[in-house]
Amino acid sequence: GAVVSQHPSRVICKSGTSVKIECRSLDFQATTMFWYRQFPKQSLMLMATSNEGSKATYEQGVEKDKFLINHASLTLSTLTVTSAHPEDSSFYICSAHPLGQGAYEQYFGPGTRLTVT
Amino acid sequence: AQSVTQLDSQVPVFEEAPVELRCNYSSSVSVYLFWYVQYPNQGLQLLLKYLSGSTLVKSINGFEAEFNKSQTSFHLRKPSVHISDTAEYFCAVSDRASGGSYIPTFGRGTSLIVHP
Repeated sequence: GAVVSQHPSRVICKSGTSVKIECRSLDFQATTMFWYRQFPKQSLMLMATSNEGSKATYEQGVEKDKFLINHASLTLSTLTVTSAHPEDSSFYICSAHPLGQGAYEQYFGPGTRLTVT
Repeated sequence: AQSVTQLDSQVPVFEEAPVELRCNYSSSVSVYLFWYVQYPNQGLQLLLKYLSGSTLVKSINGFEAEFNKSQTSFHLRKPSVHISDTAEYFCAVSDRASGGSYIPTFGRGTSLIVHP
């Protein structure tokens, strides 16, 4: 149980276009989902916290107009990178906190590799 | 605010040798502690966690970690590693304080490289 999927796993896009990444909790409901960004050989950097039915909370330094997050249901959150640039190329990972479980529990998706050319 | 320090960015070791991946944290409150493993181009998988109780926690694949409050450490150990243990290992700390967000802070990661 507690499986989180991400789609796509890998995407290449041209500079200036937008890309949407989906994060789904497959066998549980998630009150909260988190979006992380990981640079090569570095740790995960929390970008934003997404709560179902409300606006996402962005970490300092993360542009909310560039990284649009929508948490439309208890099993789906999406991250849209708008007007992507090469510096947005990164590994994006989501995680989900299951409804009713301890607040420290979160399950991670397999990640999405974004390459902007 | 909390922080996590993983002292070694890379740890090379031969197969069947023991290994220790070091993790130190700083926090003004009680914490939960985690080790995650990340295989190439994959997300993070929880390896083990310390929430309360026994300070020695174990995973199903032979790893163990010991919470040492006085040294603010949570080092990860395995007595005999396999080639398949080659991966990136992340230590994380989460604030236990009432009202805390429980969002973990991650260390920079340690790359475990197991040689045949």
